[in-house]
Amino acid sequence: DVKVTQSSRYLVKRTGEKVFLECVQDMDHENMFWYRQDPGLGLRLIYFSYDVKMKEKGDIPEGYSVSREKKERFSLILESASTNQTSMYLCASNLRPQHFGDGTRLSIL
Amino acid sequence: QKEVEQDPGPLSVPEGAIVSLNCTYSNSAFQYFMWYRQYSRKGPELLMYTYSSGNKEDGRFTAQVDKSSKYISLFIRDSQPSDSATYLCAMTGTTSGTYKYIFGTGTRLKVLA
Repeated sequence: DVKVTQSSRYLVKRTGEKVFLECVQDMDHENMFWYRQDPGLGLRLIYFSYDVKMKEKGDIPEGYSVSREKKERFSLILESASTNQTSMYLCASNLRPQHFGDGTRLSIL
Repeated sequence: QKEVEQDPGPLSVPEGAIVSLNCTYSNSAFQYFMWYRQYSRKGPELLMYTYSSGNKEDGRFTAQVDKSSKYISLFIRDSQPSDSATYLCAMTGTTSGTYKYIFGTGTRLKVLA
C-alpha cells in the first residue's frame, strides 16, 4: 500500500510567521503535489514536482513556495502566513492515480 | 461552466440501500477517472480508478464511465453506516506529462443505521 505521510495533522501559527509543511512518500514516486481544500471550492493545486529539485506552479501558487531536495520528501512553505491561508493542506503522490496523505489542518491567527 | 459538476448533497439513505453518486464533466480529453472517499478531518482515500469508458467492480463498489455523455457514476451496494463520508470524483487527461487533475467538490453521504 502507498503511504503518504504529512508531518502534522493540526497546526496553529500566527500571521507573518514562516510555516513549513512536510510530506513524505514511501513508493519512489517521481510526482508529488500540494493542494489546499476549502469548503465549496474543492481541491486547488498549489504546486507540484515531477522530479528532485523540479517544480511547477499550480493554480494558486501566490504566497507559497516548495522544496524537493530528496525524491521522497516534498515541502510546502508559507513565506509569511496570512489568515486567508487557513485551510486543509493535502499532499499527494504519484501521477495516476494520486494517493493522498491525511492532511494538515492549518490555522493562521 | 465548471469543468466538473457534482451534487454536494447531503444524501441520506437507510442501511442496505443502493447508493448512486454522479459527476458530469465538460472536457472530452479526460481519460482517467477516480473516486475518492474522504472521512471527516482525513485525507481522500482512493476507492476506484478507471481508464476510458466502461465499468469496474470492486466488492460493493462499481464505477461506471460514459465518455459519450461525459458522465461518471459510483454505485455502492448494501450500504453501511461506515460508508458515511464525502465522495469526490476526479479526472485527468492522457497527454504525456499531463499533471492536472480536476476534482468535484464532493457529495456528502450519510447511511442511517
